[in-house]
Formats: sequence, structure tokens, C-alpha cells
Amino acid sequence: DQQVKQNSPSLSVQEGRISILNCDYTNSMFDYFLWYKKYPAEGPTFLISISSIKDKNEDGRFTVFLNKSAKHLSLHIVPSQPGDSAVYFCAARDYNTDKLIFGTGTRLQVFP
Amino acid sequence: DARVTQTPRHKVTEMGQEVTMRCQPILGHNTVFWYRQTMMQGLELLAYFRNRAPLDDSGMPKDRFSAEMPDATLATLKIQPSEPRDSAVYFCASGLGDRVNQPQHFGDGTRLSIL
Repeated sequence: DQQVKQNSPSLSVQEGRISILNCDYTNSMFDYFLWYKKYPAEGPTFLISISSIKDKNEDGRFTVFLNKSAKHLSLHIVPSQPGDSAVYFCAARDYNTDKLIFGTGTRLQVFP
Repeated sequence: DARVTQTPRHKVTEMGQEVTMRCQPILGHNTVFWYRQTMMQGLELLAYFRNRAPLDDSGMPKDRFSAEMPDATLATLKIQPSEPRDSAVYFCASGLGDRVNQPQHFGDGTRLSIL
């Protein structure tokens, strides 16, 4: 039973446009959310995070939005660049177990 | 730039053999995690340690998997005996803090193939 779901396995966006990656979760005890980016043959690298007490966090071209009532978060990349092409993982921390639960990832391809 | 180091990067072996994967966490980090990446499940947490003490290994098949931290600079994940279904990429990550509220830093993984 997937507690963190990334329902879009892949996304293709033109360079310069906005990329929106979505993530849904089911556990109301999740209190901290992170996005990781992963290139082939490398480990995931931390991108941006948000606490459940906030609804938005911005870092340069990357913004994460959290909608607690809908149990939904999204990552916006504006403008998208070819170097953003990677697999993006959403992760959530369970306050009770103190563990990170990862989604299955979304492969983003940014084309010229 | 500090990195988590995993060895070997690739391992191919036959079913029934023992497999040992090693991880050197970032110096000063007090928490070490082992994850397995599969196509269907994404990144699954197998086990984690804080200050070298095992905190959770509920994600690990206990009959064949074992995780240890002999010292603060080395974490190991062993599979004995290995099975084809263990084929996956295994990641080690390290982090700081008393709770999992700081970003984890991942190594580049060990790609394991069991024939």
C-alpha cells in the first residue's frame, strides 16, 4: 500500500516552460516533505523541502506547494532547463515512526 | 565536497552466494540509512542506524539480510544466501540530527544482480 504516490511515471516539457510534478499522500502523520532529484547511475540528491506548517517554499527556480487538506504537494520548476531532466522523488516523513517514505518517482524530460 | 561512498558499485553473483555491500557515511553524520530501489516500489527503507545503534530494520527480510555499523565510518549490508529477487540498486544515505528532519545525503548505490 503506497502511502506516497506519484501517479505520473513520466513528464515531458519544453525548455523554458513550467514543469509541475505532483505527489499525493495518505498518512496524516506526515509532517515534513522533501523532493529529491536523481540522475542515471547516481544517488538521489536533495532538492527542496517543506514543513507541514507551511504551504509554500521557494528556492530559485524551484517551488514546492503543500495542500494539507487535499494531502497533495507539487514541485514547480520555472523555467525548465534541459539539465533538469532526471527522475524526481517525493518523500514524506512519518512523525510517529521517524521514517522517510518515498514515492516511485516521475521521470522529467526537458526538450529544447 | 563531502560524499557518501558505496562499494562495490556493481556486483554480479550467483544465487546462494553471500553479498556484502559497504558504505562510508559523511564524516560527522550520525544517522545511516539503507534503501533498496526497485521499479515497482521506488525507494524502500531497509534499515537505519543512529549513533551506530540500529533503530529500525523492519523493512529488511531478517532471515537473509543483516545490517551493521562496526564503527562510525563503516556501515555494511549483507545478504546470505542471495536470491534473484534481491537484484536491485541498494543505496546508503547519511544525515545529521536526532530525528529524520534533515535532508539525507545518498551514495551512488550498488547495483546488484543475482543470477
